[in-house]
Amino acid sequence: DAKTTQPTSMDCAEGRAANLPCNHSTISGNEYVYWYRQIHSQGPQYIIHGLKNNETNEMASLIITEDRKSSTLILPHATLRDTAVYYCIVRPANSNSGYALNFGKGTSLLVTP
Amino acid sequence: GAGVSQSPSNKVTEKGKDVELRCDPISGHTALYWYRQSLGQGLEFLIYFQGNSAPDKSGLPSDRFSAERTGGSVSTLTIQRTQQEDSAVYLCASSLGRTGRNTEAFFGQGTRLTVV
Repeated sequence: DAKTTQPTSMDCAEGRAANLPCNHSTISGNEYVYWYRQIHSQGPQYIIHGLKNNETNEMASLIITEDRKSSTLILPHATLRDTAVYYCIVRPANSNSGYALNFGKGTSLLVTP
Repeated sequence: GAGVSQSPSNKVTEKGKDVELRCDPISGHTALYWYRQSLGQGLEFLIYFQGNSAPDKSGLPSDRFSAERTGGSVSTLTIQRTQQEDSAVYLCASSLGRTGRNTEAFFGQGTRLTVV
C-alpha cells in the first residue's frame, strides 16, 4: 500500500537547488514524514524528518504543506555526490506493529555538471 | 562510534544450502530492522525487533526465512534451503526506537547474497 507518491526521476544542475516533491494525501495526524536517500551501492542514509513544521538541518530543508498532504525536500546547492534515490516515507509516531520504514520506489535524482 | 556492522559483506552459496547473515547494531539501539533489496529494486521490509517485544515478522517472504536477536543486540537472519530468487543485498538497520519518539535509522552496508 503506497502511502507516498514521488516522481520516478529528476535532474538538477550542479550548484542549483534540488526540489523533490512528495504526495502523502492519506497521512494521518500522528504520522511523521521522513526522507532517506540511497547512493549507489550503499545503505540508505537518513536526511531529515518532520511532523508539521518546516525543518532544516545541515543536509536539507523539509517543507510540509499546511494540510500535510504533501512535502518538498530541498537540497539548497546540489552537488554531484547528491546523485541518489530519494525516498519519502510516512511513519507513525508510536505503533505497536513497529516502526518499519516502508520504502517505496523513490525519486532517482541525477545531478549533472 | 561504530556504525551498524554486517557480515559477511558478500556470500555466494549453492541452491538448497542454508545461510546465516549477521548484524551488529549500534550499541544502545533497541530497534533493529532487516530489509532486502534485489537488483534494481526498492527496499523490501523483512522483520523488525524492538526491545523485548515480539518481533514484527510481517515482511518475511516464506517460512524459510527466520531471524533472531540475542541479548537485545546482535541479530542473525537465517535463510534455509536457499533459492536463486533469494539473491539480493540484505540490509540491517538500527535505531534508538524509544517509544513515542521517532529517531533515524542507521543502515549497514549490507550483505550481498548470491545463490548459484
